[in-house]
Amino acid sequence: GAGVSQTPSNKVTEKGKYVELRCDPISGHTALYWYRQSLGQGPEFLIYFQGTGAADDSGLPNDRFFAVRPEGSVSTLKIQRTERGDSAVYLCASSSGVHTGELFFGEGSRLTVL
Amino acid sequence: DAKTTQPPSMDCAEGRAANLPCNHSTISGNEYVYWYRQIHSQGPQYIIHGLKNNETNEMASLIITEDRKSSTLILPHATLRDTAVYYCIVRESNDYKLSFGAGTTVTVRA
Repeated sequence: GAGVSQTPSNKVTEKGKYVELRCDPISGHTALYWYRQSLGQGPEFLIYFQGTGAADDSGLPNDRFFAVRPEGSVSTLKIQRTERGDSAVYLCASSSGVHTGELFFGEGSRLTVL
Repeated sequence: DAKTTQPPSMDCAEGRAANLPCNHSTISGNEYVYWYRQIHSQGPQYIIHGLKNNETNEMASLIITEDRKSSTLILPHATLRDTAVYYCIVRESNDYKLSFGAGTTVTVRA
């Protein structure tokens, strides 16, 4: 497909477990973003990649959260020792990198921590 | 600090124009106004953006007041598929990210 792809679409895990969420951006897009959205709220910025490097990780809530983009394309958001408060929809977006450019969002990965 | 203020919800009738207001009284000269919408269970979708002039595309029109302190998104002929949360966002020209508020939940009724 031509859009941003996120897997899994749904993930249920137990408190304390490790989780990986994957994002496949639009081909050729250099900028990649992760957002988190809790029920009834707008998306909250987590991290921004320009190419392979995390240019801004100021939105990551704590050191249990980490994201990588080793080849400048696919990105993985990693959450260690999950807590019930981590339950949310995790959204990925990509853009061509132009500052006023449009962000294209995936459909998100819904994480439920029991 | 929220840069925009939107009503939490609004209803509109199918086939009529929907006018969605947004206040951004502290907007600075190099900040653009963006609108995104999020249909249930989907990611946000870009609608339109503008700096000073009114803008129109196939989805909507954006009317920005002369002092740029407020704007209105117009959906000219609302359909049931336009039911969504609409986000008004102010973004600097050199800012790479979007900062979302709570948005306006728009319900289009038949």
